[in-house]
Amino acid sequence: EPEVTQTPSHQVTQMGQEVILRCVPISNHLYFYWYRQILGQKVEFLVSFYNNEISEKSEIFDDQFSVERPDGSNFTLKIRSTKLEDSAMYFCASSDSRGSGNTIYFGEGSWLTVV
Amino acid sequence: SQKIEQNSEALNIQEGKTATLTCNYTNYSPAYLQWYRQDPGRGPVFLLLIRENEKEKRKERLKVTFDTTLKQSLFHITASQPADSATYLCALRFGAGSYQLTFGKGTKLSVIP
Repeated sequence: EPEVTQTPSHQVTQMGQEVILRCVPISNHLYFYWYRQILGQKVEFLVSFYNNEISEKSEIFDDQFSVERPDGSNFTLKIRSTKLEDSAMYFCASSDSRGSGNTIYFGEGSWLTVV
Repeated sequence: SQKIEQNSEALNIQEGKTATLTCNYTNYSPAYLQWYRQDPGRGPVFLLLIRENEKEKRKERLKVTFDTTLKQSLFHITASQPADSATYLCALRFGAGSYQLTFGKGTKLSVIP
């Protein structure tokens, strides 16, 4: 079964450093997402991306965050200057449509620890 | 504001019994509702989707109901097995033009042999 792959699985970074999390969505999917989950808390939406632009973003997705699809397969999340509170599991996801009833497929996550 | 609540943080059940998990939502009438399974340290895995015009949906040992009057969905696992032990998440899309899924906090199910 096709799957969303994410790298790295775990990254430790110093506060203030830039981090890039990478994802390869399912190949025929058109909609891409980033979610995050702080330890012990809910899965939270960050951003959705379609047709090479952001479709929707949450309040969490401030100017420190950016997303990019640099080529036909990768989808990245960049955090420019990490803060302690950015420590979380970041999930990439993709779907083949946005419409009612579409299934969103999640990757296994990238665990980010900011120290 | 719109909210999703999964009433039980944890549910312990004997192997072979039926597990029933509850998801309640407020201040919106979603077109559909989804259930996901999440294992520790892993990403959510899609299980079932039910639309507002469907009362019940089944997939193998799983059954979901959707009561738009009560604003509630029930998720059942029949003949539960220890391998069913995981956290189960309810998710909704609030807003017809919205891309984002809003998740509940989840119910951690433990199936005891």
